[in-house]
Amino acid sequence: DVKVTQSSRYLVKRTGEKVFLECVQDMDHENMFWYRQDPGLGLRLIYFSYDVKMKEKGDIPEGYSVSREKKERFSLILESASTNQTSMYLCASSLFADSGEQYFGPGTRLTVT
Amino acid sequence: QQPVQSPQAVILREGEDAVINCSSSKALYSVHWYRQKHGEAPVFLMILLKGGEQKGHDKISASFNEKKQQSSLYLTASQLSYSGTYFCGTEIKTGRRALTFGSGTRLQVQP
Repeated sequence: DVKVTQSSRYLVKRTGEKVFLECVQDMDHENMFWYRQDPGLGLRLIYFSYDVKMKEKGDIPEGYSVSREKKERFSLILESASTNQTSMYLCASSLFADSGEQYFGPGTRLTVT
Repeated sequence: QQPVQSPQAVILREGEDAVINCSSSKALYSVHWYRQKHGEAPVFLMILLKGGEQKGHDKISASFNEKKQQSSLYLTASQLSYSGTYFCGTEIKTGRRALTFGSGTRLQVQP
């Protein structure tokens, strides 16, 4: 079974803090994705990576950066957290970038106060 | 640009059928369908890769009309376990190697 794990289920941070969200997959997948999920807006792509050290912007990259130093790990970084970044963050991985099934992690609910 | 899903929400009785639509303003290469139950991660249902392709998964099936740039998900004889939010994800032709998801359709099946 593919497993995608995320470092925290719940996180509370203060405005201005630097926040790291970690995602690890155990199936040697090439591709990894970060989404945020907000009510009524669905899943919006923040960043994705199709190889180690490679990254591409998604639809809403502003205020975020990512790091992929190892194939199994994809980190999302909020350089200076703001209240409008309060959301559910979902990580996913897939074997194929375009037509491959995506496996999602359980999500991190981030609250910025 | 996000695909448009309709309806936004639907309530069914067990055994009833439902159709969820997903349409795009751009030419599509593929359409993916996922279901997310409350408090859980989205789970893959199926991928449609070719125009006109139809797929089935238990009593859940889908079609892809490449010309109309849309896909429909059909839930037949719905069960309580079908409750959740359904998302379509689209990949456009000549686009990036990632999906754009719709805003979701909330489906509730009642006894």
